[in-house]
Amino acid sequence: GAGVSQTPSNKVTEKGKYVELRCDPISGHTALYWYRQSLGQGPEFLIYFQGTGAADDSGLPNDRFFAVRPEGSVSTLKIQRTERGDSAVYLCASSLKGTRGGAVTGELFFGEGSRLTVL
Amino acid sequence: AQTVTQSQPEMSVQEAETVTLSCTYDTSESDYYLFWYKQPPSRQMILVIRQEAYKQQNATENRFSVNFQKAAKSFSLKISDSQLGDAAMYFCAYRSAGGYQKVTFGTGTKLQVIP
Repeated sequence: GAGVSQTPSNKVTEKGKYVELRCDPISGHTALYWYRQSLGQGPEFLIYFQGTGAADDSGLPNDRFFAVRPEGSVSTLKIQRTERGDSAVYLCASSLKGTRGGAVTGELFFGEGSRLTVL
Repeated sequence: AQTVTQSQPEMSVQEAETVTLSCTYDTSESDYYLFWYKQPPSRQMILVIRQEAYKQQNATENRFSVNFQKAAKSFSLKISDSQLGDAAMYFCAYRSAGGYQKVTFGTGTKLQVIP
């Protein structure tokens, strides 16, 4: 597609349920990021993929959170046993790896986010 | 680890006037990118302007310009001739130019434009 697509746009779930959030990046973008944004806050880094592998998952808050990108394109963020504190907007972004001298200089392209509400 | 600090949670500006948003960062690297992103109520983050650390010249994009002070690790955004559509959250962000591509964001500044 033309931009980063995230589904669902909104998700309401009950405490303890399992949730999957999907991100479809811009075609050809090798880098994919997940961020979490609470109301009135800046994006908080969760995980970064370069290709199929997680280059850095240090931002995942605990082992209830997991993300995959099996074919180096679409990514799924998975949250098990959801808690009320997981309520936030989950942002996905993709980019080409930054290069010097070309048109690409490290810009992230964001989706519109998935708003997760845990009741 | 790199950190990005935005010390102004909220700012306001009169329409058609100029406003400057502040950002400082901490890094031990010499080569990196800095960005300002805008996030309107619709939620989608949009790039406003970028600066490459190896370039001494300050970036400009129409009504938006930056004051990049590498030694002071300061990266402020100036918005000239402010318009109602400029009202949004503005985030400063840092990205290494090296092999590791993590992007770190500040906490944001909410800009209000007064008609």
